Amino acid sequence: SQQGEEDPQALSIQEGENATMNCSYKTSINNLQWYRQNSGRGLVHLILIRSNEREKHSGRLRVTLDTSKKSSSLLITASRAADTASYFCATPGASGTYKYIFGTGTRLKVLA
Amino acid sequence: GAVVSQHPSWVICKSGTSVKIECRSLDFQATTMFWYRQFPKQSLMLMATSNEGSKATYEQGVEKDKFLINHASLTLSTLTVTSAHPEDSSFYICSAGPWGRLYNEQFFGPGTRLTVL
Repeated sequence: SQQGEEDPQALSIQEGENATMNCSYKTSINNLQWYRQNSGRGLVHLILIRSNEREKHSGRLRVTLDTSKKSSSLLITASRAADTASYFCATPGASGTYKYIFGTGTRLKVLA
Repeated sequence: GAVVSQHPSWVICKSGTSVKIECRSLDFQATTMFWYRQFPKQSLMLMATSNEGSKATYEQGVEKDKFLINHASLTLSTLTVTSAHPEDSSFYICSAGPWGRLYNEQFFGPGTRLTVL
């Protein structure tokens, strides 16, 4: 089965720095989503990027998608302490189903 | 658009009782909803697929008699944890879709934290 894997598993940076996390997946997809989850809280949808898109922006977030490499990256610019959270990528499962497979997540810690 | 809600957001219950969790698509009709479970500091694991008007399909290792799923309408699916035990304590998250016509997009609810005492 397909699984997204985030890299790195954990990241610690200073406030104001940029944070980059990557997601790799195994099979062809037509969209990929990034979610944030604060400790002990629910999922917050960040960005959905479709297979015909290469890059997408939302505020301080920039997501890229490289379907040839089966990878996506999430960049958070000018990070803040409030960005401290786990970040997951999610990709659709097998063709014909709507199951989403979550990656293992990147735990980001932004130090004030 | 594409808002999915869950109720309750957290629940504490005694061992042996049953707990019902609701998942609603607020601004679109969802023919399919999925239920996920998340243990502390781990990723989300798919439990079951809920199709409107038909029986849910469960992933391997998930007890269907333990986790009852009902998808009675295009905007509501419920997960009932029957005879809950402390090991059922977890974070339960649903997703609903498809949202787009061309893409198999699902959107996720905020989750329900279940604590069984």
